Amino acid sequence: EVQLVESGGGLVQPGGSLRLSCAASGFTFSSYDMHWVRQPTGKGLEWVSVVGTAGDTYYAGSVKGRFTISRENAKNSLYLQMNGLRAGDTAVYYCTRNLDRWGQGTLVTVSS
Amino acid sequence: QSALTQPASVSGSPGQSITVSCTGTSNDVGAYNYVSWYQHHPGKAPKLMIYEVSNRPSGVSNRFSGSKSGNTASLTISGLQAEDEADYYCSSFTNIYSWVFGGGTKLTVL
Repeated sequence: EVQLVESGGGLVQPGGSLRLSCAASGFTFSSYDMHWVRQPTGKGLEWVSVVGTAGDTYYAGSVKGRFTISRENAKNSLYLQMNGLRAGDTAVYYCTRNLDRWGQGTLVTVSS
Repeated sequence: QSALTQPASVSGSPGQSITVSCTGTSNDVGAYNYVSWYQHHPGKAPKLMIYEVSNRPSGVSNRFSGSKSGNTASLTISGLQAEDEADYYCSSFTNIYSWVFGGGTKLTVL
């Protein structure tokens, strides 16, 4: 069974940093593109970033230069390093396998 | 990249059919057959219902179908059931190697 479990969310002050993790199981992690998608409270889904099987990365314009996506295939893990956090980054962050299977999400709140 | 345009809400009675539209541009929906639809019950993980415009993943009811014409994609749910009540989102690959989602449509089963 495919499982994606996010962790690392929490409350952080504006300008601060946070690192999200996603533990994957039930499939060959190294064979899939992995994405982060977020959902601000009461709003719709917003694509954040993707890392391909070859390690290539792409970002939404709203996070480019502040967020870094990475993967560690040996640990079946996906990461999102978030720097320079803003109030507008407050959201539930979902880890997804190729946008076809999703985790339950982890809440990031940016507030002073 | 602007969000795809979906109606905020749709409703239907059990057994009826409803259609949710998703309008993009020639840079996303109109350019690629990489349109997907997701069902999202609040507090749960989003579930893929349709991929590549009209394909259903294994285990998804054949009451769900997808189509596309020009810059607009559509999700149709036939034989509405109470359990279909949820938020529905479309998404599309774009010409700047990114993905864009719709604003979401709340389906109410009357």
